Amino acid sequence: AQSVTQPDARVTVSEGASLQLRCKYSYFGTPYLFWYVQYPRQGLQLLLKYYPGDPVVQGVNGFEAEFSKSNSSFHLRKASVHWSDWAVYFCAVSSYQGGRALIFGTGTTVSVSP
Amino acid sequence: DTTVKQNPRYKLARVGKPVNLICSQTMNHDTMYWYQKKPNQAPKLLLFYYDKILNREADTFEKFQSSRPNNSFCSLYIGSAGLEYSAMYLCASSRGLGDQNTLYFGAGTRLSVL
Repeated sequence: AQSVTQPDARVTVSEGASLQLRCKYSYFGTPYLFWYVQYPRQGLQLLLKYYPGDPVVQGVNGFEAEFSKSNSSFHLRKASVHWSDWAVYFCAVSSYQGGRALIFGTGTTVSVSP
Repeated sequence: DTTVKQNPRYKLARVGKPVNLICSQTMNHDTMYWYQKKPNQAPKLLLFYYDKILNREADTFEKFQSSRPNNSFCSLYIGSAGLEYSAMYLCASSRGLGDQNTLYFGAGTRLSVL
C-alpha cells in the first residue's frame, strides 16, 4: 500500500541555519510527490511538487526538494531559515483511490529559534 | 481568488447528536475533498466528490455522509457523533482529477464532541 513516513515529528533550527526535513515514501510505480506547509491558523498550502523528470524541484520561499528513487525519499531543504518558516510541513504522495487523492505523512513541526 | 472557506471554525457537539460541516470554494473546481486530522496523525482522506460523483473511503463508508448541492458547496455530515469524531476536518478542492492537480485547503473546522 502507498504510504508516506516523516520520521521527525519536531525540528528546531536557528534562524539563518539550514534545514532538511525527511520524507520516505512507499509507492508501486512512479510517484507524484508534494510538500505542503501549514502556517498557524491557516490551511495547508502547496510548497512544491515533483513530477517525473528533474529530481531536484524548486518551490516557493527558497525551498527545494530532491527525489531519490533508489532511497524512496523526497527530502525538503532550505539553505537559510527565516522566523516566518515556523510551521508544520507535510509530505504527500498521489495515490489512486477511485480517482487521485493525496496520502499524507504525519507532518514535521519546524520551530525557529532566534 | 484561491480561497476555500470552512464554517464554522470551531464546533462543539454532544455525543449522539448530528453534525454538519460546510465548505465552499469559488474557483469552479471539479473536485472537493474532506480530510480528518487528529493530533500527531496524518490527514486522512474521508471522501471526495468529482463533479456529482461521491467517492467514500472503505473504512469510513458508514460513518460520514456528504452532499454537494452545487459546484461551490460541499458538506460533511455525521449522523450520530461519537467521542472518536473529535478532530480537525479539512476541506480541499482541486481542478479535475489526476496526479498533477494542486489541492487548495481551507483552514479547517475543529470539532469537539463531548
